[in-house]
Amino acid sequence: SQELEQSPQSLIVQEGKNLTINCTSSKTLYGLYWYKQKYGEGLIFLMMLQKGGEEKSHEKITAKLDEKKQQSSLHITASQPSHAGIYLCGAGNPRASNYQLIWGAGTKLIIKP
Amino acid sequence: DVKVTQSSRYLVKRTGEKVFLECVQDMDHENMFWYRQDPGLGLRLIYFSYDVKMKEKGDIPEGYSVSREKKERFSLILESASTNQTSMYLCASSLSRAGYGYTFGSGTRLTVV
Repeated sequence: SQELEQSPQSLIVQEGKNLTINCTSSKTLYGLYWYKQKYGEGLIFLMMLQKGGEEKSHEKITAKLDEKKQQSSLHITASQPSHAGIYLCGAGNPRASNYQLIWGAGTKLIIKP
Repeated sequence: DVKVTQSSRYLVKRTGEKVFLECVQDMDHENMFWYRQDPGLGLRLIYFSYDVKMKEKGDIPEGYSVSREKKERFSLILESASTNQTSMYLCASSLSRAGYGYTFGSGTRLTVV
């Protein structure tokens, strides 16, 4: 079965520094979604990627999907305290009867002032 | 502003109690989902529904049931709460079966004592 592996599991970054979070699958990804979760709250949708090589940006966050559609990266430039939280990737699962998303375990990001 | 509303942010219940977690969405979405989130385990699907009065088991349905009498409301029921059901519960909805992104509620942190 397809699984999504996120790395690293946790990350502590000095404010102002750049960082990258990865989401890797052993199989082709059908729709890759990035979400952010503030501690103790629900998930907020960040971006969706569908095509191999696709790249999207929102403010200081850039997400990419590789050409083989098996790995996605989330890059934050000049990190700020507001970027702290848990980042989760989700992917479409065409084997599921209604295209349920499967999820990575999440990456916990801490920003040091 | 479209949203998914979970009725309680925090709940404390006693072992053996019947617990109702309510979720309402105002986006006319077909699909609704209940997840639980535990540290290190990520999101695990409990039940989902793709139509009124329809429900399907997810990955961990044991000890839970659901009700969807109206399109906008999806309730999760813990028939007899146990301490191992202490968790963060997240409700989500999505537009269709085509793998579009989910909109999540803010979550209910349930503690069973």
